[in-house]
Amino acid sequence: SQQGEEDPQALSIQEGENATMNCSYKTSINNLQWYRQNSGRGLVHLILIRSNEREKHSGRLRVTLDTSKKSSSLLITASRAADTASYFCATDAGSARQLTFGSGTQLTVLP
Amino acid sequence: DTAVSQTPKYLVTQMGNDKSIKCEQNLGHDTMYWYKQDSKKFLKIMFSYNNKELIINETVPNRFSPKSPDKAHLNLHINSLELGDSAVYFCASSTQETQYFGPGTRLLVL
Repeated sequence: SQQGEEDPQALSIQEGENATMNCSYKTSINNLQWYRQNSGRGLVHLILIRSNEREKHSGRLRVTLDTSKKSSSLLITASRAADTASYFCATDAGSARQLTFGSGTQLTVLP
Repeated sequence: DTAVSQTPKYLVTQMGNDKSIKCEQNLGHDTMYWYKQDSKKFLKIMFSYNNKELIINETVPNRFSPKSPDKAHLNLHINSLELGDSAVYFCASSTQETQYFGPGTRLLVL
């Protein structure tokens, strides 16, 4: 079963606005990661947050993690048309280096 | 200089056929994976392979078999293809926590 559920399934915003995507998961985790998938392409790693961290920044990305609520959010600030993609959270919960992916959020940034 | 490559990019075949998808990584990673992404973009892990240890997702039919001739390659062989096998298959590799994905192979079974 899917470990992560993402919300919303689809998000459409204007260029320059901020985009927030949420991820909920079910079990304890070692870390949570966010990936981006452009249409017709493979997934690209964006950012990793460990279970003992609460917030992390990378450029225009800000990730938060609330382990008590088993949830994470990805904020993209000052969005650009090039940010249009699907965004997936993925949880690392075991020792086999296996990731379990969420259902994804399709982000569309309108120019 | 592609990090993780897959061939072919597209694969159209008839039900019942046997096919293989190749994957190569030049990152020196010790763990490789195969994922299946369905039409709703759900991404499910099929296999992970690390130092000759194969971990199989229990939901994967035994018609699917990974083959690793060496550390840089993990090929996927599929026997007796079925309509439900139509999907995008991604290979990935990792050395620690993050994974690097190939461009995907779009399989269509007719």
